[in-house]
Amino acid sequence: DTAVSQTPKYLVTQMGNDKSIKCEQNLGHDTMYWYKQDSKKFLKIMFSYNNKELIINETVPNRFSPKSPDKAHLNLHINSLELGDSAVYFCASSSRFYEQYFGPGTRLTVT
Amino acid sequence: GEDVEQSLFLSVREGDSSVINCTYTDSSSTYLYWYKQEPGAGLQLLTYIFSNMDMKQDQRLTVLLNKKDKHLSLRIADTQTGDSAIYFCAESGNTDKLIFGTGTRLQVFP
Repeated sequence: DTAVSQTPKYLVTQMGNDKSIKCEQNLGHDTMYWYKQDSKKFLKIMFSYNNKELIINETVPNRFSPKSPDKAHLNLHINSLELGDSAVYFCASSSRFYEQYFGPGTRLTVT
Repeated sequence: GEDVEQSLFLSVREGDSSVINCTYTDSSSTYLYWYKQEPGAGLQLLTYIFSNMDMKQDQRLTVLLNKKDKHLSLRIADTQTGDSAIYFCAESGNTDKLIFGTGTRLQVFP
């Protein structure tokens, strides 16, 4: 059973397009996150949601909009994609903040 | 600001011990973590330590924390080829905002 799943695993798109990445967790956790890992493997938190409410927003451009339809899902929508958005995006969830479970990642390539 | 640093590479022979080091700057860090990332995969939480502890052991893993020097280490005993991965140190206060280090790529050779 997959605990935290993301779709798609790979996403290749052109500059200027709008795309979404979906995340689902079946762990019953209240909190979900999005992280960005760049080409140098540097990992940084973007957002966190607790029970569908935005808790952390780490100075991410407005082009990124997380959406949480329910506490098991946290989707990431990106408008007007730029080359610098190319990265691996990880979703995570937790019930206790010090135990975060990560999804397998979505590799986004913007050409 | 908060900063977490690690050396980029470590190469060890199978069966030896590996020690991965990490330094951090935030004196209000409450939790410190070690995550493992295998190629093409997400991050797996290996262990974490609360800041009032000096050491934590879990099977082959030993975490040492020197709070005075803001230094954290992860020792892997009897390192196996399956331990080859990138290991991330991370810290947080009493919130879920994790600050990650740059990652240490561990290569285990036979």
